[in-house]
Amino acid sequence: DGGITQSPKYLFRKEGQNVTLSCEQNLNHDAMYWYRQDPGQGLRLIYYSQIVNDFQKGDIAEGYSVSREKKESFPLTVTSAQKNPTAFYLCASREGRDSYEQYFGPGTRLTVT
Amino acid sequence: GEDVEQSLFLSVREGDSSVINCTYTDSSSTYLYWYKQEPGAGLQLLTYIFSNMDMKQDQRLTVLLNKKDKHLSLRIADTQTGDSAIYFCAQLHSGGYQKVTFGIGTKLQVIP
Repeated sequence: DGGITQSPKYLFRKEGQNVTLSCEQNLNHDAMYWYRQDPGQGLRLIYYSQIVNDFQKGDIAEGYSVSREKKESFPLTVTSAQKNPTAFYLCASREGRDSYEQYFGPGTRLTVT
Repeated sequence: GEDVEQSLFLSVREGDSSVINCTYTDSSSTYLYWYKQEPGAGLQLLTYIFSNMDMKQDQRLTVLLNKKDKHLSLRIADTQTGDSAIYFCAQLHSGGYQKVTFGIGTKLQVIP
């Protein structure tokens, strides 16, 4: 049963703490993406990775960090430097350069108080 | 520019057709997409169109692409209450790092 998993579905943290969101895919996809979704703002790209050990900043990378040590995993760390971390975070993957379809995980809702 | 713009809200009666519109700015986009998001869930790819096509039909869904005006539309025929969701327009950019940018999403409300 292939797909993208994100865990946990809901995450609560205190302000000032770093938190890492998990994203795993068993689709053998090369490219992986992290988006943030806020009400009324659609999806905004945080980071993306086209291949293992390589990643690029998206439009709103400040306060976030990622790693891509394995093809199937692309964890996102929300650091204490991120001013408004409460949001719905979506991970996605795509097979490669010639592939048109981007598959999404179910998302993680992060609440920071 | 890489923006994708779409209206925020659309309300239709069950059984009518829905038309959701989108404009994009990157003329070099290779693929344009329509995604559906139900509450609290991830995004589901509904349909896509390659940039050298004008129209694509897939059961109740019709996608129209006007490259000259950079305008994309999604028509849902015989709209059902299960079609109520947020619909996102997106474009796949060409170039070294192929990223996808999304519109703000159009919330479709289907009235029984």
